[in-house]
Order: sequence, then structure tokens, then C-alpha cells
Amino acid sequence: NAGVTQTPKFQVLKTGQSMTLQCAQDMNHEYMSWYRQDPGMGLRLIHYSVGAGITDQGEVPNGYNVSRSTTEDFPLRLLSAAPSQTSVYFCASSSIEGQGNTEAFFGQGTRLTVV
Amino acid sequence: AQKITQTQPGMFVQEKEAVTLDCTYDTSDPSYGLFWYKQPSSGEMIFLIYQGSYDQQNATEGRYSLNFQKARKSANLVISASQLGDSAMYFCAMREASLGGSQGNLIFGKGTKLSVKP
Repeated sequence: NAGVTQTPKFQVLKTGQSMTLQCAQDMNHEYMSWYRQDPGMGLRLIHYSVGAGITDQGEVPNGYNVSRSTTEDFPLRLLSAAPSQTSVYFCASSSIEGQGNTEAFFGQGTRLTVV
Repeated sequence: AQKITQTQPGMFVQEKEAVTLDCTYDTSDPSYGLFWYKQPSSGEMIFLIYQGSYDQQNATEGRYSLNFQKARKSANLVISASQLGDSAMYFCAMREASLGGSQGNLIFGKGTKLSVKP
């Protein structure tokens, strides 16, 4: 059982380039999300999805796009990379239950540097 | 206003001693969950322990326990018998269960860096 698979692990982009961070989960989780982690800031929510075809913005969505065409996949697109998007990105998935008591499973993270 | 507050940016503890990492939270949702995650230097996020707002007893998982004080909106993590491998960043997080489609969202604190001294 692979859990949450996130690729690539490392990426260097030039300002203005676009790229897609891939995220796939094999646990049939309804909920998937993308976070970015910056020093001293904890993890901040970028976008999330509660099921195929449904996405919504989190706390810091600007400069990022997402789509959810299948339950398994939730790619994050950087449209025109900026140095401010240098960060570590995490994809997470969880099962949605009424009491919110399910843990989130995280991918290994992507360390992105924009130069 | 911050929903999750971790007031200790960094802490030191002697090996084999217990340590408490502080976490306070702010929510008006009667149904919520509180989580602690560990992030070692390798970068992965490791789930440690969960406490539900309706749970009557404090959660425990091996050497980890959660000191849940609902009236004070406090969910401190206690690590007993610290080991060198406990050196890591620790994040407190909350999920509010009643917010419709966003009920899956985890809100994180800024973290506490724990260093265990031999």
C-alpha cells in the first residue's frame, strides 16, 4: 500500500516557468489537499478537494491551480513561478468523517526552488 | 487571530526525561479534532496522536500522551522518556468537523523544534 505518492522530490525552476507537482493516493480518500511549508510559518493550505470534480481555495491559493478529475490524483500547477513560491510542498489525503477524527496522510514533500 | 498557537519555537530536553510541548487552539465549532505531527530532519510528516473534542479521556499512544484541557482550549503533547530520535519539529493541528466541505482542512501551528540532549 503506497499511501500518498508525491513527485518530484526536488525541483529548481526559473522565474516564469510553469510546472505541475503530482500527487496520487491509493486509499480511496475523498479529501485531498496541498500545503506549503515555509520557515517559521507552519503548513499553510493552498487548495483542497472533497471529491472528484470539486476543488476549493485554501489560505494561500494565488499563483496555483488544481484539478481533481479522479479520486486518486490531485495535481498542483504553478502557472508562472515566482521566487516567493520557493517552499516545501506537501500533498495530503484523508477520509472525510463527520467527527473529523481521521488522520491526514502526507506525501514525502517537494522541495521547490525558484531562481 | 491564530487558530493554533504553539508558543515554544524551540525546546531542549535531556534524554530519558519527559517534555511537554504546548498547544492552544481557538474554535467555536463544538466538534473538532486535534492532532500532533512529528517532522524529523528528513522532512516527512508523521502522525503521532489524535484527540477528539468529545473524547472524555486524554489520548495516549505509547510514549505520547495528549493533555487535553477543553475549557482552557489547550492540547499539550507530553513525550515521556525522551530519546535522541525524538529530536524533530512538532506540529499541532486542528480540524473543525462542522464546516461543510472544508471539514477536512487541517489548520497547523507554527511548530516547536525539540532537541534531545544526550
